Amino acid sequence: NAGVTQTPKFQVLKTGQSMTLQCAQDMNHEYMSWYRQDPGMGLRLIHYSVGAGITDQGEVPNGYNVSRSTTEDFPLRLLSAAPSQTSVYFCASRIGQGAGSPLHFGNGTRLTVT
Amino acid sequence: GQQVMQIPQYQHVQEGEDFTTYCNSSTTLSNIQWYKQRPGGHPVFLIQLVKSGEVKKQKRLTFQFGEAKKNSSLHITATQTTDVGTYFCAGPMPANNNDMRFGAGTRLTVKP
Repeated sequence: NAGVTQTPKFQVLKTGQSMTLQCAQDMNHEYMSWYRQDPGMGLRLIHYSVGAGITDQGEVPNGYNVSRSTTEDFPLRLLSAAPSQTSVYFCASRIGQGAGSPLHFGNGTRLTVT
Repeated sequence: GQQVMQIPQYQHVQEGEDFTTYCNSSTTLSNIQWYKQRPGGHPVFLIQLVKSGEVKKQKRLTFQFGEAKKNSSLHITATQTTDVGTYFCAGPMPANNNDMRFGAGTRLTVKP
């Protein structure tokens, strides 16, 4: 099993550009989520999904869209990139709803917006 | 909203010394999880604590959950260079178990 796979690993965007960060998991996990990691701020939840067709907002959702058409995939879309969105983005999944199981993280996408 | 505070932000130790990081929540937690992130890597799950006053050990690592379930600690005995990394605690929001909030992390460096 590959676990949680994120692409691309690195990306540079100009202000105003849009892009999609891909996340796929092969563990049949119901729950998937996106976090951003900034120095000194830990990991902040952007959006999450508890199953196909269901998404919800986390702590810092503005400027990002998500969709969950399949159990395996949970892409994160930046609509109009801003320098404040420069960060490392992690996708994470877990086996069920609720907080009782561990999160499995992908390797991350390092995004720079100039 | 819930705040998960973690201290210290940085800790530099000599190999063989002990290390402790502390996590405090503004609200009671149903459970708390601990993760380790190696430099350049991704967070990896270490353990989950659920019960009030719970203590769990993993070799040289000891995890505690406070009696009020609002604080937790991770203690490493006799640190090794392999312990280098950032340690995060995480707990669910009171009204939404699907919203996990992470502390800012404690970055541990170990001098051989």
